[in-house]
Amino acid sequence: AQRVTQPEKLLSVFKGAPVELKCNYSYSGSPELFWYVQYSRQRLQLLLRHISRESIKGFTADLNKGETSFHLKKPFAQEEDSAMYYCALNQGAQKLVFGQGTRLTINP
Amino acid sequence: KAGVTQTPRYLIKTRGQQVTLSCSPISGHRSVSWYQQTPGQGLQFLFEYFSETQRNKGNFPGRFSGRQFSNSRSEMNVSTLELGDSALYLCASSTGQMNEKLFFGSGTQLSVL
Repeated sequence: AQRVTQPEKLLSVFKGAPVELKCNYSYSGSPELFWYVQYSRQRLQLLLRHISRESIKGFTADLNKGETSFHLKKPFAQEEDSAMYYCALNQGAQKLVFGQGTRLTINP
Repeated sequence: KAGVTQTPRYLIKTRGQQVTLSCSPISGHRSVSWYQQTPGQGLQFLFEYFSETQRNKGNFPGRFSGRQFSNSRSEMNVSTLELGDSALYLCASSTGQMNEKLFFGSGTQLSVL
C-alpha cells in the first residue's frame, strides 16, 4: 500500500539550531512528494514540492529514492517556523496521501 | 484574489441525519478535492472533482458523496451520519494539472451527537 510515514509526532529544537523533519514513503512508481505546513490559526498551505527543487523560507527537501525518504531540513531554525508539518505523496488527480504530521516547536 | 471558501464553519448534527457542506474554489480553478481530518486518522482523501466529473475517490463508504457545479463550486453530502463522522472537512482547489499545489479552505467542523 502507498503510505507516508512521519516518525516524529513532536519535535522541539532551539532557535538557531538545525532542523530535520523526517518523511519516509512507500510507492511503487516515481513519487511526487510535497511538504505542507499549517501555522497557528492559518490554513494548510504548500511549503515546497520536490519537482520544483526550490527553497522556501530556508527549507529544502531532497528526494532519496534509495532510502525512500523526503526529509525536510533547515540549517538555522527561527521561532516563526513553529507549526504543524505534513509530508504528502501524490497518487494522481490531486489525491494526496498525507503523513500524520510533525508538530515543530522552536524554543527561544 | 479570494481564497477557498467553505461554509458553514461549524455544524452540529445528530446520528442518522444528513449534512451538506459547500466549497467555493479560487476563481479559475476547476479542481476541487475534499479531505477528512481527524486526530486519529489524520488527513484522508475523500474525492476530487474536475469540470463537474469525479476523477478520483478515496476509501470511504457510499454515504459520502459529492458533486461539482458548472461554476466549479462543490458540495459534499454525508447521509445517515455516524458518531465517527465527526471531523474537520477540508476542501482544496487547484487548476487540476498534475502536481499543482492545492489551496485549502479553513474547513467545516462537523460534530455528530
